[in-house]
Amino acid sequence: DAKTTQPPSMDCAEGRAANLPCNHSTISGNEYVYWYRQIHSQGPQYIIHGLKNNETNEMASLIITEDRKSSTLILPHATLRDTAVYYCIISNFGNEKLTFGTGTRLTIIP
Amino acid sequence: GAVVSQHPSRVICKSGTSVKIECRSLDFQATTMFWYRQFPKQSLMLMATSNEGSKATYEQGVEKDKFLINHASLTLSTLTVTSAHPEDSSFYICSARDLLAGGGGETQYFGPGTRLLVL
Repeated sequence: DAKTTQPPSMDCAEGRAANLPCNHSTISGNEYVYWYRQIHSQGPQYIIHGLKNNETNEMASLIITEDRKSSTLILPHATLRDTAVYYCIISNFGNEKLTFGTGTRLTIIP
Repeated sequence: GAVVSQHPSRVICKSGTSVKIECRSLDFQATTMFWYRQFPKQSLMLMATSNEGSKATYEQGVEKDKFLINHASLTLSTLTVTSAHPEDSSFYICSARDLLAGGGGETQYFGPGTRLLVL
């Protein structure tokens, strides 16, 4: 699986959009971009995933660059409950393993 | 949405005893479940892949005789930590792959985790 690079930490003001970047320059054509988050002392929560098109759901939007070497997770209106560690993971469709990196610790500031 | 439960949520045991942790997919069937371990301030590390009706596949460095995995049905996998020692104290998390989700089963759903403390 391709390796990912994320900033170790970020702050965002409550009510603003949180934009979390992820670099995955070695991603291959059949690998998906997945985003999970982990709130303290809980199991990871699935957020969104995509292959090459931008995706949006009730939680977030995923923007994937045209060359697929990087992506951005957008939380449109961050709340205090969005404080968590966010993991960007690259995995083959059908490859069941998810390899977690160190993620980005997002802190929402009141 | 898909729900995965774990039991117990936390357990304290004496050194040398065995502890069983259950992972259940509540509203979907999962032929594959995964077991992770997470030490404080670290990321999740995959321990093993549990396949219904067959032997589990363990990651390198994980002792299969110490961490026994049984996946007897499409909704239940168990992890037994045998002869637990203080260094086994950790946060154990399972996940299950929903084969019918998203038109292809490309998402995993995680349980809430089990915190194990071995004294």
